[in-house]
This record gives sequence, C-alpha cells and structure tokens, in this order.
Amino acid sequence: DADVTQTPRNRITKTGKRIMLECSQTKGHDRMYWYRQDPGLGLRLIYYSFDVKDINKGEISDGYSVSRQAQAKFSLSLESAIPNQTALYFCATSDHGLAGDNEQFFGPGTRLTVL
Amino acid sequence: RKEVEQDPGPFNVPEGATVAFNCTYSNSASQSFFWYRQDCRKEPKLLMSVYSSGNEDGRFTAQLNRASQYISLLIRDSKLSDSATYLCVVNRRGGGNKLTFGTGTQLKVEL
Repeated sequence: DADVTQTPRNRITKTGKRIMLECSQTKGHDRMYWYRQDPGLGLRLIYYSFDVKDINKGEISDGYSVSRQAQAKFSLSLESAIPNQTALYFCATSDHGLAGDNEQFFGPGTRLTVL
Repeated sequence: RKEVEQDPGPFNVPEGATVAFNCTYSNSASQSFFWYRQDCRKEPKLLMSVYSSGNEDGRFTAQLNRASQYISLLIRDSKLSDSATYLCVVNRRGGGNKLTFGTGTQLKVEL
C-alpha cells in the first residue's frame, strides 16, 4: 500500500464550485505540505503544517485553505474554484529533525481541471 | 529572476552516454540541496542529496559549488530507464523544511 495517498486522483469541476482534496499518510510524519505543479513553473508551495492544528501559508496560498485535524490527514480546499487553479496538486510529508535535511515523500497527485 | 534555474531541455542522448545537468540558485542563504526525479505524470522522488564535498551514488554524481551558487548532476552510462525530468531543489537556511523547486530538466535516453 502507498504511504501517501491522495483523493480524488482526477477531478473536473466548474468555476465557483467548492472542492476538497484529501491527503492521508501512514508514514507517521509530523510535517505535511500541499504543492501545485504547472508547466514551466515547477512545484510551488501552497500551505504546510508541522503538526496537528499548525497551519502556515506558502508562496501561493490565495484562493486556498487547509485543515490538519489529525497527524495523518491534511486536506486542501478551494472555496470557489477558478480556471487558473487548473493544475496537478501534490501532497507531501516529511519527518521532523534537522531542518532542511529531510526527504519529502510525495503522494501520486490529483489532476484538477476547472472549467 | 527565478530562485532556482534549470535548462528545461530536452536532452536527447543515446544509451550509454554521459550527460550533465546544471542548476543555479539565487539565494545565498540556501542551506540544503537535492536532486529529485519525476517520471511523466508521476510524483517527484528524491534521487540524491548534494553536499559541498560532492557525492556519488552508482552512476550518479552530484556536485555543489557554493561560491558560484551552482549545482550539477552527472549521469554516466545512461540507461533507457533514466528517461525522466530531473528537478533541482534547494532549502533556505532557517526555512524549516520548505523546498524551492526548479522547473526541471527533461532527459530522454534513446536506443
């Protein structure tokens, strides 16, 4: 079984709809992250969490919100989806420890299309 | 200027060739450096960390030049299975474990 799972894997929705992307992990890691990937722009950090109830904005948090109610789960919400939020979304986890030296483990990604 | 810059490629090389990718980073406060590999439509996975002293893992060698803010990845004896996008990744000092990703260099190894 995969250590980091994301649901759904693919989603097509319409402008203005509310969407939630779910991420679950069985690695026992404290730290979780949400990224989006766009062609030519690479992966960009949306939000991250270092512990339950800890929420921090990344470089592109506008239009998104997150929830970390349990260590194993980190959900990303688009309150009112817009077409430029069409992208590939990745969840990732890492262990705590020496800052900056911990490998991040990624989920398989969610491909979101907003029409 | 992007914080991490890579040549997007694609680099098309024959099987058995040696290929090198370069990456530059703009933030001198960058502390940790990595190469991740991403297969088409898949998630990124850590290939190797990059240390000032250089490090080697089989056919892969990574080098870091802090003075020039430059990172490299050398792949020897390329295999078809090496075809992927290689992401240069840096972590800023004091930034926790927040990573900054380059846009990636695409490698295609051909028969």
